[in-house]
Amino acid sequence: EAGVTQSPTHLIKTRGQQATLRCSPISGHTSVYWYQQALGLGLQFLLWYDEGEERNRGNFPPRFSGRQFPNYSSELNVNALELEDSALYLCASSGGTRGNTGELFFGEGSRLTVL
Amino acid sequence: GENVEQHPSTLSVQEGDSAVIKCTYSDSASNYFPWYKQELGKRPQLIIDIRSNVGEKKDQRIAVTLNKTAKHFSLHITETQPEDSAVYFCAASSRYKLIFGSGTRLLVRP
Repeated sequence: EAGVTQSPTHLIKTRGQQATLRCSPISGHTSVYWYQQALGLGLQFLLWYDEGEERNRGNFPPRFSGRQFPNYSSELNVNALELEDSALYLCASSGGTRGNTGELFFGEGSRLTVL
Repeated sequence: GENVEQHPSTLSVQEGDSAVIKCTYSDSASNYFPWYKQELGKRPQLIIDIRSNVGEKKDQRIAVTLNKTAKHFSLHITETQPEDSAVYFCAASSRYKLIFGSGTRLLVRP
């Protein structure tokens, strides 16, 4: 069974540009989470999508946005890129229900570099 | 707001010794506490988890303890091996998402 897949693996952008990252969850999982992992730091919660709806977002500015498609895949958009947006962006999926948080299965991540 | 604190940030032990990593959480409604291991350049992977109705859980050389009253939980690794070297993250559920600690870099010296 395929795990969580993310694309692209690496992305290089310049300040002010936009970046789009994509994620396909494990088959059968309806929840997708996005986390930012800056170099040497922990995993910061960005966004949670479930059943096509944004359910929760972390303490990030509105230029971080995303969506979830009917097939439960998701994309993360970062507008007006800043240097400090350089990080590994991890997507995770879960089969847990909203009333019962379960294990998150992570993808390999997309490394975004902003020059 | 929701917060998980993790200590220590780095831990160096001799092969065969034990390692203990501690976390505290702020959301009293948290009921799920997983631990993830992230090897260099790889994705975080679950190594053990515990729910709030259990005080302790063990899986071979790793164990997790939970004190809900004090909002503390800990990871214990016994008989450490060089392949245990990695970054370990604790997490606590909060409103259907996981809040992660800042990570502990564990180095096991051969």
